[in-house]
Amino acid sequence: DTGVSQDPRHKITKRGQNVTFRCDPISEHNRLYWYRQTLGQGPEFLTYFQNEAQLEKSRLLSDRFSAERPKGSFSTLEIQRTEQGDSAMYLCASSLSRWGGYEQYFGPGTRLTVT
Amino acid sequence: AQRVTQPEKLLSVFKGAPVELKCNYSYSGSPELFWYVQYSRQRLQLLLRHISRESIKGFTADLNKGETSFHLKKPFAQEEDSAMYYCALSGLRYGGSNYKLTFGKGTLLTVNP
Repeated sequence: DTGVSQDPRHKITKRGQNVTFRCDPISEHNRLYWYRQTLGQGPEFLTYFQNEAQLEKSRLLSDRFSAERPKGSFSTLEIQRTEQGDSAMYLCASSLSRWGGYEQYFGPGTRLTVT
Repeated sequence: AQRVTQPEKLLSVFKGAPVELKCNYSYSGSPELFWYVQYSRQRLQLLLRHISRESIKGFTADLNKGETSFHLKKPFAQEEDSAMYYCALSGLRYGGSNYKLTFGKGTLLTVNP
């Protein structure tokens, strides 16, 4: 296992189109997180899962955004009707709940450009 | 409110000089503080966790609850330390644990030869 992986690494789409990103966490990790990072900012929390349950969503996650983690393994993040303001790096992270489980391990990110 | 402040956007030092990257936080609970580092074209990596109290790559950070700070220090900077550094916060709070990370805006450290 080489760590958290994300696919695709880059996505260019036209405004109004739908996009879907995938994240594969470290295999034994039961928690999975999505963050968004724009230029000059640190990552901002979007949502997180413990196993297949989505336990918290940020107010940043508008109703155009939906995330799933079927079977508690990989996760997908879908953005419907993309807007130019959605252009950002989307980061996925995972952690293990044993011993507190606060430290998170990040994937390489998916860079979304909405034209 | 949960907030992390990194007051310096850019920090430039010469090789061999001491370096301190500042981080202040606001949290209504028992905080867990981290430093993450991102080298050019690489993913975000965990550098330090306050609870482990260890030194990684010569860096240390001490949690000061009185000053609500978690500054990152290294006595002698190396060129390979040039990177973006992010301070991040999660932890225990009333009602349960808070696992999401709140990040500062980051400090870009440049170590000149």
